Amino acid sequence: LAKTTQPISMDSYEGQEVNITCSHNNIATNDYITWYQQFPSQGPRFIIQGYKTKVTNEVASLFIPADRKSSTLSLPRVSLSDTAVYYCLVGVTGFQKLVFGTGTRLLVSP
Amino acid sequence: ETGVTQTPRHLVMGMTNKKSLKCEQHLGHNAMYWYKQSAKKPLELMFVYSLEERVENNSVPSRFSPECPNSSHLFLHLHTLQPEDSALYLCASSQDIGQATGELFFGEGSRLTVL
Repeated sequence: LAKTTQPISMDSYEGQEVNITCSHNNIATNDYITWYQQFPSQGPRFIIQGYKTKVTNEVASLFIPADRKSSTLSLPRVSLSDTAVYYCLVGVTGFQKLVFGTGTRLLVSP
Repeated sequence: ETGVTQTPRHLVMGMTNKKSLKCEQHLGHNAMYWYKQSAKKPLELMFVYSLEERVENNSVPSRFSPECPNSSHLFLHLHTLQPEDSALYLCASSQDIGQATGELFFGEGSRLTVL
């Protein structure tokens, strides 16, 4: 079971870059790393996914070191609307081993 | 708009009632899921369906009964629930199961309160 560990909470201010690190020491060779964002009383939404090195899309970057035992979600210039819970997952769809942990609660202040 | 629609968005029921939650996906996906999210707890996977066949049942009490009549619709039938079953019930879909690069598409959830 590819368990993940993330900080429970983080605080930031508008305009800052936020980096959230997730550790997944027993990640399997075939596992990809996926990050989701969840606002209160809504379902999680996909942010970004990667296997190794760096992935960038219009909302975030994902940094994965060579050993793949951790990953870092980078949110550039956060705004108040980025206040949410961020989940890091490893594994394949459809099975219990794709586990949502407690996530990281990010609070962005003015 | 994620392409996954859940109804009702809010439901209040007594412990002796029978109600159902409905989920519909318009994405052409083959897999559908029910998750439970209680206050201050991680999401818990309840059921997984692939091509209308149940492939995962994570020790969920029998008072929760899923039904998948086709690959676009998923129901969760509720009967004789307990107050501790109050939670946000989330439906999700993915193209298939067992995908390393698969993405889960979630609905907005059904907020259930059991009195």
